[in-house]
Amino acid sequence: DQQVKQNSPSLSVQEGRISILNCDYTNSMFDYFLWYKKYPAEGPTFLISISSIKDKNEDGRFTVFLNKSAKHLSLHIVPSQPGDSAVYFCAASGWTGNQFYFGTGTSLTVIP
Amino acid sequence: DVKVTQSSRYLVKRTGEKVFLECVQDMDHENMFWYRQDPGLGLRLIYFSYDVKMKEKGDIPEGYSVSREKKERFSLILESASTNQTSMYLCASFKLAGLNEQFFGPGTRLTVL
Repeated sequence: DQQVKQNSPSLSVQEGRISILNCDYTNSMFDYFLWYKKYPAEGPTFLISISSIKDKNEDGRFTVFLNKSAKHLSLHIVPSQPGDSAVYFCAASGWTGNQFYFGTGTSLTVIP
Repeated sequence: DVKVTQSSRYLVKRTGEKVFLECVQDMDHENMFWYRQDPGLGLRLIYFSYDVKMKEKGDIPEGYSVSREKKERFSLILESASTNQTSMYLCASFKLAGLNEQFFGPGTRLTVL
């Protein structure tokens, strides 16, 4: 059973606008959440993370929001750039970090 | 600079062949993982290891085995490759203690004919 879900397989956004990628999870024991970016034929690269004690974490153009009560997190990219076009995976783990659970990914296309 | 390397970027094998995929990390990480990525299914965990000679099954271990003889090296073995094992295989490592991210290798695109 999928414990981390990304319900939008794809998203298209105009360059300069905001991209919002969403992720839902079912396990309330998850304590750490991450976003990865993946280009074709490459491994995922870490983008940004958030622990359960926070509700927001920002790194440049990327902001992750966590709503624990709704078991929902989102990634905001502002402004979106064509180089942001990639597949984005959200992931979650418990405190031990022994196992990470990944969503199915959202393919973002930023249109110039 | 942290690094996870995988032995091959692209591999083509025939049904029934034994296939070895090797992963090496240079970060002295305790945990190592093997995933496969398929369209619409995301990353699915095959096996992981939290120490030398230790292994744990992930969500889809059937048809695979692993070996971890040294801390830096984690091998995935397909005993008898089948066409449904055609996929992108990703290795990752992770440092225990604290909140950290997994570091991924570049992936191996395996095609089984």
